[in-house]
Amino acid sequence: GNSVTQMEGPVTLSEEAFLTINCTYTATGYPSLFWYVQYPGEGLQLLLKATKADDKGSNKGFEATYRKETTSFHLEKGSVQVSDSAVYFCALSPYGGATNKLIFGTGTLLAVQP
Amino acid sequence: DTEVTQTPKHLVMGMTNKKSLKCEQHMGHRAMYWYKQKAKKPPELMFVYSYEKLSINESVPSRFSPECPNSSLLNLHLHALQPEDSALYLCASSQGRTGQRKNYGYTFGSGTRLTVV
Repeated sequence: GNSVTQMEGPVTLSEEAFLTINCTYTATGYPSLFWYVQYPGEGLQLLLKATKADDKGSNKGFEATYRKETTSFHLEKGSVQVSDSAVYFCALSPYGGATNKLIFGTGTLLAVQP
Repeated sequence: DTEVTQTPKHLVMGMTNKKSLKCEQHMGHRAMYWYKQKAKKPPELMFVYSYEKLSINESVPSRFSPECPNSSLLNLHLHALQPEDSALYLCASSQGRTGQRKNYGYTFGSGTRLTVV
């Protein structure tokens, strides 16, 4: 079946530290992969996406590369800010599935301290 | 317009009440979704509409009744809810029809925070 596994949180970092949030997936074919961010009290925002192997998604200093050989889509940022504090969800959409259903990981809470 | 708008933002209702959640988008998206999110959990899919037709119902209890009056609007009618139905209800939309080969991502609304008392 299709599934997404994210590293457990919370992740606590100091401002300007390097961020990595690990995400691995199980799926057949070539799923589309996403990172969503949820700020406190808000809905989800699409942070970045990749739709085929070796694609790199990037936005607001965040990056993730679609690695089919390791079935991974790790989120990275070189220098985090306090405003990046949020919950980050990795998600996949199966290739050519019967729906555009999104399958989410459990989410990782990031807390950035000044 | 690149937004999904949900109303109301907050709703408190009794177990015997009938209420509706509303969702609107003007991006020309033809797939729309309802998700339920409990605290500290990922969203759970409830319903999928594709071209105004219900294509997926994830075994949701009948006290939740979705409606898609046109391509821009999605409603969720609520009746005889239980306290455990208290959650954040998220609407989302995406391009194209379900079953297309690639998914370019959803646009989510800010959600309706529902409390059932």
